Amino acid sequence: DTGVSQDPRHKITKRGQNVTFRCDPISEHNRLYWYRQTLGQGPEFLTYFQNEAQLEKSRLLSDRFSAERPKGSFSTLEIQRTEQGDSAMYLCASSLLTGGHNEQFFGPGTRLTVL
Amino acid sequence: AQSVSQHNHHVILSEAASLELGCNYSYGGTVNLFWYVQYPGQHLQLLLKYFSGDPLVKGIKGFEAEFIKSKFSFNLRKPSVQWSDTAEYFCAVNNRDDKIIFGKGTRLHILP
Repeated sequence: DTGVSQDPRHKITKRGQNVTFRCDPISEHNRLYWYRQTLGQGPEFLTYFQNEAQLEKSRLLSDRFSAERPKGSFSTLEIQRTEQGDSAMYLCASSLLTGGHNEQFFGPGTRLTVL
Repeated sequence: AQSVSQHNHHVILSEAASLELGCNYSYGGTVNLFWYVQYPGQHLQLLLKYFSGDPLVKGIKGFEAEFIKSKFSFNLRKPSVQWSDTAEYFCAVNNRDDKIIFGKGTRLHILP
């Protein structure tokens, strides 16, 4: 399978714990995006990378959230001191920016439940 | 602020009925427009996209959408729906190389 993969698919944690999610983009894609989707809402942008550089962060991304893409390939999203409001589906997408067109391909998501 | 508005949150149709889902966006400058679909238990999939050119775009599974620039609209249509079209549909927009802004989604239920 050469699509975007995410790990784990499901994560249940207790409030106050730290969690880390991984995203592996399509191999030649230079852009990687993180989104969050809560029940009844569309995905909301969190942050994105071009290669290893983090170019934009949403105001939704509080100080407890950090994302990295150390070698311009896979990315990790860490949430520290989780809160119940962090419960959501976390989606990763990747794209190859060419000629101003930016079609993003989404992974299956990681569903986080904070108890 | 950039936004996408989907007119219907929940639509119920019988098989073979025609479908139109409304979408309006507020976004300055040149835009790319998308419709994504999420089938039950599956991840987001691209249904169709508009980058430039013919404003009537055709996607997978018989879906099409029309970009009307003057109305800031990108409505999704299908002449005859099937039970397998039951899913959640998201209209989305971005500004060329920017992040995607999604609408809140429309849940479509097709009655057999």
